[in-house]
Amino acid sequence: AQSVTQLDSHVSVSEGTPVLLRCNYSSSYSPSLFWYVQHPNKGLQLLLKYTSAATLVKGINGFEAEFKKSETSFHLTKPSAHMSDAAEYFCVVTRGGSYIPTFGRGTSLIVHP
Amino acid sequence: GAVVSQHPSWVICKSGTSVKIECRSLDFQATTMFWYRQFPKQSLMLMATSNEGSKATYEQGVEKDKFLINHASLTLSTLTVTSAHPEDSSFYICSARDFAVFTEAFFGQGTRLTVV
Repeated sequence: AQSVTQLDSHVSVSEGTPVLLRCNYSSSYSPSLFWYVQHPNKGLQLLLKYTSAATLVKGINGFEAEFKKSETSFHLTKPSAHMSDAAEYFCVVTRGGSYIPTFGRGTSLIVHP
Repeated sequence: GAVVSQHPSWVICKSGTSVKIECRSLDFQATTMFWYRQFPKQSLMLMATSNEGSKATYEQGVEKDKFLINHASLTLSTLTVTSAHPEDSSFYICSARDFAVFTEAFFGQGTRLTVV
């Protein structure tokens, strides 16, 4: 079975400081992992994805994530937070051979001026 | 990039009526579409998976007679909420898989359903 755990329900940072959103996964197969962002009352936007290529993945808006198999982690980072980054972030793993996206519970990123 | 269009973006309906939500893949063929439901400040919960031309597979606890899913073509899937009640009010999001990009699914903008 596939599952994904987002360790923090809320993360609060000051504008200009680094962002770290944590995600751990469990998978019986080689997983594909994604990070999506959702702004209030909006749909989902793909930030980045890992699909068994380079372990350090660069995404949009300055975000990146590193796939660490030994730690079963796929944490999302950004060197410097911007006010517009305030949103809900979801870590997603595809479920086995059927490739059904399974969502983490989400992490709310709060950015203070 | 691949685009999934979901319509309507919001809808208000009276209790007891039915509402249809459409999900279209605009520039790719979606052999599989997923329907999710999101309660306020919660994650997305998979409701069902639909494959083109066959019956949808529902997740445990999802009433198939209340949430009718049709996937009649490679670019269109519909979710019909039948005899809607206030507890059905939620944010519904569809997702479509492009078989040429096997591991990635693309998401619609979502539909905010309010039943009054």
